[in-house]
Amino acid sequence: QVQVEQWGAGLLKPAETLSLTCAVTGGSFSGYWWTWIRQTPRQGLEWIGEINHSGSTKYSPSFRSRVTMSVDTSKNQFSLNLTSLTAADTAIYYCARSKWQQPSSPKDYWGRGTLVTVSS
Amino acid sequence: DIQMTQSPSSLSASVGDRVTITCRASQAVPNSLAWYQQQPGNAPKLLLFSPSRLEAGVPSRFSGSGSGTDYTLTISGLQPEDFATYYCQQYYSTPWTFGQGTKVEIK
Repeated sequence: QVQVEQWGAGLLKPAETLSLTCAVTGGSFSGYWWTWIRQTPRQGLEWIGEINHSGSTKYSPSFRSRVTMSVDTSKNQFSLNLTSLTAADTAIYYCARSKWQQPSSPKDYWGRGTLVTVSS
Repeated sequence: DIQMTQSPSSLSASVGDRVTITCRASQAVPNSLAWYQQQPGNAPKLLLFSPSRLEAGVPSRFSGSGSGTDYTLTISGLQPEDFATYYCQQYYSTPWTFGQGTKVEIK
């Protein structure tokens, strides 16, 4: 059974950088695309971007100037960095797996979510 | 970006009711449509995709249909554990986008 565990700092100040990591256990890491999605009361669920085991990425235009995703295949982990934070980035951040080995795919395994609060 | 519009935004129903939620895309997303259920405090859970294929372990009272721009999620015989918020998502064209959600509440 695939499990996705996520962690990272939950309280950040404006202008700081968000860093979150997800670890995948119980299933294959290679071949899949690994996704970051956030949820806010105002914007709902927003796709931030995704990365595959080779490090190829797809980013949402809404985040492209501030986002970097990376992967560590030796640890079956992938990470999200989001720079220049503002209060509008306060959200629950989820990582998830694309069900098929292609980016155009529903998301079948999700992390529990990390509440990130941006406040001075 | 493809805009996904769900209706209604919320509904009240009783255990045993048949419930229908619709999702309309601003342009065609040929069968690249998924439905998720989210319970408070939990991550979304994949229910259906493509758009009528049931995810493993999901009860058969959930069904999906549609094509082009218009899709439907039906729950036949609402159970207490089905009171939640439901989201549609298109995975046809990046950026992948979600509907705003439909909250199913107890009448």
